[in-house]
Amino acid sequence: SQTIHQWPATLVQPVGSPLSLECTVEGTSNPNLYWYRQAAGRGLQLLFYSVGIGQISSEVPQNLSASRPQDRQFILSSKKLLLSDSGFYLCAWSPSQDQWSQPQHFGDGTRLSIL
Amino acid sequence: GQNIDQPTEMTATEGAIVQINCTYQTSGFNGLFWYQQHAGEAPTFLSYNVLDGLEEKGRFSSFLSRSKGYSYLLLKELQMKDSASYLCAVMDSNYQLIWGAGTKLIIKP
Repeated sequence: SQTIHQWPATLVQPVGSPLSLECTVEGTSNPNLYWYRQAAGRGLQLLFYSVGIGQISSEVPQNLSASRPQDRQFILSSKKLLLSDSGFYLCAWSPSQDQWSQPQHFGDGTRLSIL
Repeated sequence: GQNIDQPTEMTATEGAIVQINCTYQTSGFNGLFWYQQHAGEAPTFLSYNVLDGLEEKGRFSSFLSRSKGYSYLLLKELQMKDSASYLCAVMDSNYQLIWGAGTKLIIKP
């Protein structure tokens, strides 16, 4: 069966510091991968998605970036965090692009607090 | 623009039935998803509708009317553990998921 791992679970960072969140998927190949952010009491905001290695689509302009160095690895980064970057970050996967109308499955999330 | 509307919060009694509505306006339609999200946790997939009608899964059912841009999630025999937020999401013509803000369901004994 497929599993998704996301770490760390919580993170407290000072303003201006760098960020790296990692997500890996097991048990499937060529998944679609997604990074979301959820502000407290709000819906999910899609940040990035990827349909393959090195293929990243950005949905919102911001100081975050994403990379997919391996088929089942998705990384969210920032060079300098802002206070507004605080939130709950979720990684998700869905089956390959030939099966678009499939549910997305989420990792446990990372709660990021910027001080 | 694209938007998904759901009530912000609902309250129901343990053992009762509750219906959570979702209306949508999107560029195309490739299916509607319902997710459950407990406080502080990630969303988990509940149901998927792409054709009109009712899909039943145990205590949970989901209904879709594409002509009305409308769906509902029906929860029967409510249990305290059903207290959570319920997210409605629609897949548009570009196969992107458009998410509603979620409905917080409070179950009272």
